[in-house]
Amino acid sequence: QVQLVQSGSELRKPGASVKISCQASGYNFNMYAMIWVRQAPGQGLEWMGWINTNTGNPTYAQGFTGRFVFSLDTSVSTAYLHISRLQTEDTAIYYCARAAAPRTNWFDPWGQGTLVTVSS
Amino acid sequence: FMLTQPHSVSESPGKTVTISCTRTSGSIASKYVEWYQQRPGSSPTIVIYDDDQRPSGVPNRFFGSVDSFSNSASLTISGLKTEDEAVYYCQSYDDTTLVFGGGTKLTVL
Repeated sequence: QVQLVQSGSELRKPGASVKISCQASGYNFNMYAMIWVRQAPGQGLEWMGWINTNTGNPTYAQGFTGRFVFSLDTSVSTAYLHISRLQTEDTAIYYCARAAAPRTNWFDPWGQGTLVTVSS
Repeated sequence: FMLTQPHSVSESPGKTVTISCTRTSGSIASKYVEWYQQRPGSSPTIVIYDDDQRPSGVPNRFFGSVDSFSNSASLTISGLKTEDEAVYYCQSYDDTTLVFGGGTKLTVL
């Protein structure tokens, strides 16, 4: 079945960096766009941007430029989110989610989420 | 643009509840609206896509609609069950941006 499996929880100090993975299975990885979504503790969903899994071209939402980088390793059907110069406000659950079909704007499935905690 | 949802709603089991999602600029009918359910401790799952379509596995108690007059979309859940207790998010987009509503916590009591 179609599945996205994310890497485990991370604890980092302010100023450090983190790289989260999202491994896809059960479908042709190159055919469906991937989005990244942040959910701060007790808060709602915030779209961070998306990556074209065919070309590798990323698009970042406002507020997620500079320290946030989306990348791919198509050989292992995996998308990555790298966050540098971590701040305490980056403490959140980060989700990857796949476009349900090519050129659609709804997303299914979602990964299980990766909790990133930034604390000194 | 933004999508505005009520912070919370509550209703009794067996009853019907409607959650609204108002687009602040641009026409609600110009782009599809999607709805996700997020139960505590879980990832979001789609319950309505393309305004009013139900994915397989979602019961027909879930109904989506769009009203151009109020520039809003709505998610209606009938025959409420305790398992429906969750936060519901609407989502839409424009040419460059994807937007989630702030989420509505549904309490079934």
